[in-house]
Amino acid sequence: AQKVTQAQTEISVVEKEDVTLDCVYETRDTTYYLFWYKQPPSGELVFLIRRNSFDEQNEISGRYSWNFQKSTSSFNFTITASQVVDSAVYFCAGQGNTNAGKSTFGDGTTLTVKP
Amino acid sequence: DAGITQSPRHKVTETGTPVTLRCHQTENHRYMYWYRQDPGHGLRLIHYSYGVKDTDKGEVSDGYSVSRSKTEDFLLTLESATSSQTSVYFCAIRPGLAGLSGANVLTFGAGSRLTVL
Repeated sequence: AQKVTQAQTEISVVEKEDVTLDCVYETRDTTYYLFWYKQPPSGELVFLIRRNSFDEQNEISGRYSWNFQKSTSSFNFTITASQVVDSAVYFCAGQGNTNAGKSTFGDGTTLTVKP
Repeated sequence: DAGITQSPRHKVTETGTPVTLRCHQTENHRYMYWYRQDPGHGLRLIHYSYGVKDTDKGEVSDGYSVSRSKTEDFLLTLESATSSQTSVYFCAIRPGLAGLSGANVLTFGAGSRLTVL
């Protein structure tokens, strides 16, 4: 069975602060995929990034960056210079290659960015 | 637009009544999923489909059934709704084509908010 742990339930920061959202994925699969999805107050779920378990290269996209460490099964997400529009619920998800592609989600981290 | 729609978007019903939620896609994707979202529980998989008439249970399937008679439609049925099934239901699709970039990325519908009184 897979398990995704997002230890932070809620985070509140002031605009322009950096913030890191933590995610740990537990699985017996040797190959798997990790994802981050964003759910803004409007309620839709939006895909942000996918990472393969065999690719530990960090990724940066604008103010967003992701750090994957296979040794600790962590896939952390950092927002640099946060903005009010970043306020949302962020979900980390994992998908093994032996479970028919079912994604397991964490409970989500609610990020509030105050002006 | 991703080509996935859910209906109805909002529904209020009474305990014991049957309810059917519909997910319709125009992407010709193989895989379809039903998740429910509740505070403090993230998204939990109810049922999924890996092809026409091919479905299987997820982690919270009790009280739910599904059907997929066409590639584009995936129906979620609550045979006798209970208050514990008050939730927001999301349908998701993915291509599942090996080697295709994004083959395992989920695209979600807008959600269906169900209230069972």
